[in-house]
Formats: sequence, structure tokens, C-alpha cells
Amino acid sequence: ETGVTQTPRHLVMGMTNKKSLKCEQHLGHNAMYWYKQSAKKPLELMFVYNFKEQTENNSVPSRFSPECPNSSHLFLHLHTLQPEDSALYLCASSQDGWETQYFGPGTRLLVL
Amino acid sequence: TQLLEQSPQFLSIQEGENLTVYCNSSSVFSSLQWYRQEPGEGPVLLVTVVTGGEVKKLKRLTFQFGDARKDSSLHITAAQPGDTGLYLCAGVQYSSASKIIFGSGTRLSIRP
Repeated sequence: ETGVTQTPRHLVMGMTNKKSLKCEQHLGHNAMYWYKQSAKKPLELMFVYNFKEQTENNSVPSRFSPECPNSSHLFLHLHTLQPEDSALYLCASSQDGWETQYFGPGTRLLVL
Repeated sequence: TQLLEQSPQFLSIQEGENLTVYCNSSSVFSSLQWYRQEPGEGPVLLVTVVTGGEVKKLKRLTFQFGDARKDSSLHITAAQPGDTGLYLCAGVQYSSASKIIFGSGTRLSIRP
């Protein structure tokens, strides 16, 4: 595997479910990011991790819970989501800072 | 709230025509990035411009950063069907609270 991978690619869940999104980067980068991409809205930065430490939480509701066990893996745990949380969730990594971020293909999430 | 406004939102043109996409803000950015996103994929970085007035060329694509580092444009010459996609600009600010802000995107369709 090369680059940034995300699983699952598609996910349908009910509002009472608990699920997790997984991201893995094979680039040796130190920073990882979660973004939300909704129709008709700009890409929104959700969380930033540098060297496994969370350095930014962009006022994200607590029903989204990130986890970064090491510099190569990033998870987004989901529970009691709302239909308006349906979106494409993108993971990205970079060597440092905001420059040259490499994005994964995303997980298309539908909350019913 | 800081915004990056992209125009037009949608553009459909014939192969061989030229086009320009604009990215405007009232905020000053340390750098500005342009990405292209194709269906089912994450955004891919095309270029980063850093200096006010800077012009960068990538084959048929020309990127310009405004003198005041508040705006940018992407010009495509002789558009081809392979240029079809969602074009995103992203402004980066390095300060006490460094951040990245994405524009809402321009969806480009090139008709053969």
C-alpha cells in the first residue's frame, strides 16, 4: 500500500450506532488530519495530530472522537450521529505544517 | 469568520477553450494552495504560491497569487476533458493560531 488509505470507503449507519473510520499513511509523515466535506460547503478541518498529539480541535461535537495511536494511524470514532453528519470524511497527512498535504480517498458516510 | 470565496461555482466549457477560476478573501495568507479533486478521490495538491505577485506554471495551468496575498487565480489554456474535476483553493496562515481555510470549490466540466 502506498500513500494514504482509508477504510471503509462507504458507511451507512443509524443514529444510535457506533462505528469507526480508519486512516493509515505509508509516507512517514508526522502530522495527520481529519476533514469533513459536505455538499455545497467548504472542506472543514476537524482535528489535527502532530507526533500523535492532538494539536487542534476545530469545535467539533463530542459525538466525533479521534484517536491517534501512532504517527501512521488515525481513527475517527462515531456515536449517536445526526443525519446532517452525512458527508465525505477525508484523512490527510503531511511531513510538517500545512504544506503539501496528502489526502486519502475518503469515507462516504450516510447517517439515517 | 474568514472565508475564501471561489468563482465560478460551476463551469462547463468546450474542449480547447480557456478559463479562469478565482479565489478571493479579505484576509492575508502566508501561502495559498490549489488542489484538484476527482470523483471518488481525495484532493491532490497542484501548486503552492507563497510570494505576493508570484506566478507559477504547470503545463497548461497558470497560477497567480495576488500582490496583497489575499487572492489567487487559476488559468487553464486549451482545456481538455482530463481537466474535469473540482478545483479547491486553500489559504494557510502561520500565526499564533496557524490554520488552513478551504474555498467552496469550482466544479469544472470540459465537454469533448
